[in-house]
Amino acid sequence: AQTVTQSQPEMSVQEAETVTLSCTYDTSESDYYLFWYKQPPSRQMILVIRQEAYKQQNATENRFSVNFQKAAKSFSLKISDSQLGDAAMYFCAYRDSGGGADGLTFGKGTHLIIQP
Amino acid sequence: GAGVSQSPSNKVTEKGKDVELRCDPISGHTALYWYRQSLGQGLEFLIYFQGNSAPDKSGLPSDRFSAERTGGSVSTLTIQRTQQEDSAVYLCASSRIHRVMNTEAFFGQGTRLTVV
Repeated sequence: AQTVTQSQPEMSVQEAETVTLSCTYDTSESDYYLFWYKQPPSRQMILVIRQEAYKQQNATENRFSVNFQKAAKSFSLKISDSQLGDAAMYFCAYRDSGGGADGLTFGKGTHLIIQP
Repeated sequence: GAGVSQSPSNKVTEKGKDVELRCDPISGHTALYWYRQSLGQGLEFLIYFQGNSAPDKSGLPSDRFSAERTGGSVSTLTIQRTQQEDSAVYLCASSRIHRVMNTEAFFGQGTRLTVV
């Protein structure tokens, strides 16, 4: 079974600074997808960024970028120029591309605090 | 609708009672997912529907849990004889096609269930 580990229960960063959230995963699959979701107090999960495992290039979405290290099974999220609106729970998630009915496998989340 | 709608937003029930949670996916989305988020935990995959069928129900935590989907649209998650450990936020998500990378899963705001 796949597992996703987020080792930082909470992170704090000054507004306008850069912060990196860690995620590692375990899988025996070679083809899969990785995601970062943001969950604000409204509870609604919002997709921040996604990465296909077969792509070597790291995904980037505006201020959000990932450092995908396939051999190390590491998928960290970097948030540049942090803003107050970035404060939320961030979840790393995995999904394989093979057969089966499983959905996303999530880590336990990192609570990101933005200090004004 | 504009997004995934879940009702009720909050539900308090007495131990031993049955509860029914509703998810109204985005129109045209054939895939629908249920997740459970316990306090301080990530999301636990429960079940997914492709149309009206649920190919794999193994994620449901016990036989007190059941789910159905009718007309390829609305889904209900039923918990019978609720226990205190069932207290959690139940999140629903939908996507156009299951397991296709570029088809994003959109989440509702969840139902917070409290069993007293």
